[in-house]
Amino acid sequence: DTGVSQNPRHKITKRGQNVTFRCDPISEHNRLYWYRQTLGQGPEFLTYFQNEAQLEKSRLLSDRFSAERPKGSFSTLEIQRTEQGDSAMYLCASSSTQGGEKLFFGSGTQLSVL
Amino acid sequence: TQLLEQSPQFLSIQEGENLTVYCNSSSVFSSLQWYRQEPGEGPVLLVTVVTGGEVKKLKRLTFQFGDARKDSSLHITAAQPGDTGLYLCAGAKGNNRLAFGKGNQVVVIP
Repeated sequence: DTGVSQNPRHKITKRGQNVTFRCDPISEHNRLYWYRQTLGQGPEFLTYFQNEAQLEKSRLLSDRFSAERPKGSFSTLEIQRTEQGDSAMYLCASSSTQGGEKLFFGSGTQLSVL
Repeated sequence: TQLLEQSPQFLSIQEGENLTVYCNSSSVFSSLQWYRQEPGEGPVLLVTVVTGGEVKKLKRLTFQFGDARKDSSLHITAAQPGDTGLYLCAGAKGNNRLAFGKGNQVVVIP
């Protein structure tokens, strides 16, 4: 399978707990993006990597959020001290420099904070 | 403030009918993309339009980019139940981030 893979698909956690999501992009894609989507809204940009470098972060990404892409392949998004407002679908997407801004999305991780 | 406004937000039609949905902005984009998203899944890219006035067809779907590169429309001819989904437009400004609208939820009733 050469698509973008995200794990887990669903995560239920209690308020105050930490959670970590993983994204495996399409193997030849050097760009990786994290977006967040809530019900009735379109995806909102969170952060962007080119290879292992995190080049851009949205103001939406508070200090409780951290993303890494240590070897320029898979990426992790960690949320510390989760809040109910963090409940959302977290989408990962990848693209290649040659492909421009055409994004290939994974199926997302649905986070529910109780 | 939403950078891209999509209308109508929700549209329900009978199978076989035609429909048009719109994506409008006051900003100029280097390109605009349309995605379709189904419940519990990520968006899937349908088309990218780059040139003002450009028209692209994908089977029964026709996409048009406005002359000023600020807006776009999606027309579906003879809609099928398989066309049901959330249609998202996304504008690119060459800064490696896409701005998405809230989407047009289309329901095609058999």
